[in-house]
Amino acid sequence: AQKVTQAQTEISVVEKEDVTLDCVYETRDTTYYLFWYKQPPSGELVFLIRRNSFDEQNEISGRYSWNFQKSTSSFNFTITASQVVDSAVYFCALKDSWGKLQFGAGTQVVVTP
Amino acid sequence: NAGVTQTPKFRILKIGQSMTLQCTQDMNHNYMYWYRQDPGMGLKLIYYSVGAGITDKGEVPNGYNVSRSTTEDFPLRLELAAPSQTSVYFCASKPLIRGNTEAFFGQGTRLTVV
Repeated sequence: AQKVTQAQTEISVVEKEDVTLDCVYETRDTTYYLFWYKQPPSGELVFLIRRNSFDEQNEISGRYSWNFQKSTSSFNFTITASQVVDSAVYFCALKDSWGKLQFGAGTQVVVTP
Repeated sequence: NAGVTQTPKFRILKIGQSMTLQCTQDMNHNYMYWYRQDPGMGLKLIYYSVGAGITDKGEVPNGYNVSRSTTEDFPLRLELAAPSQTSVYFCASKPLIRGNTEAFFGQGTRLTVV
């Protein structure tokens, strides 16, 4: 069975601080896909980033970066120079071969001015 | 493109009532999914479909039914509403292409059973 754990329930930061969200996953699949979604207070789900299991290269996209480490089954996500608009719940998700997503419980990020 | 459209956006049901949550996508995606999100929790899969006429149970299917008669539509049926079904329901779709493609989500339906 697949499992995604986001141990951080809530993170509070002051604007311009960096925020790192932890995600640990479990799967028996040799090929899998990982995602981060954002859920702002309005409630919709916004896709942020994705990563294949066979590509461990870490990347930066604007203020977002991610650190994927297969050896520790972790897929951490960082927001650099946080802004108030980054306040949201962030979900890590693991996708199986049928596209079914296993979500973590989410991490609430609160950015104060 | 409208993407994934869910109706209604909000609904209050009485215990024992029935209703259908509608989901339509205009992207010609083969895969469609229904998730529920309880307060403070992540999403859990209720049912999914890999194409018209094919559906399968997810993690939490009890109390729900689905059908997939067309590629575009994937309605979710609640037959006898219970307070435990109070949740936000999300429909999603994904193209047939395997690999690193994300799912597209609807705006959600907030359901309260009283």
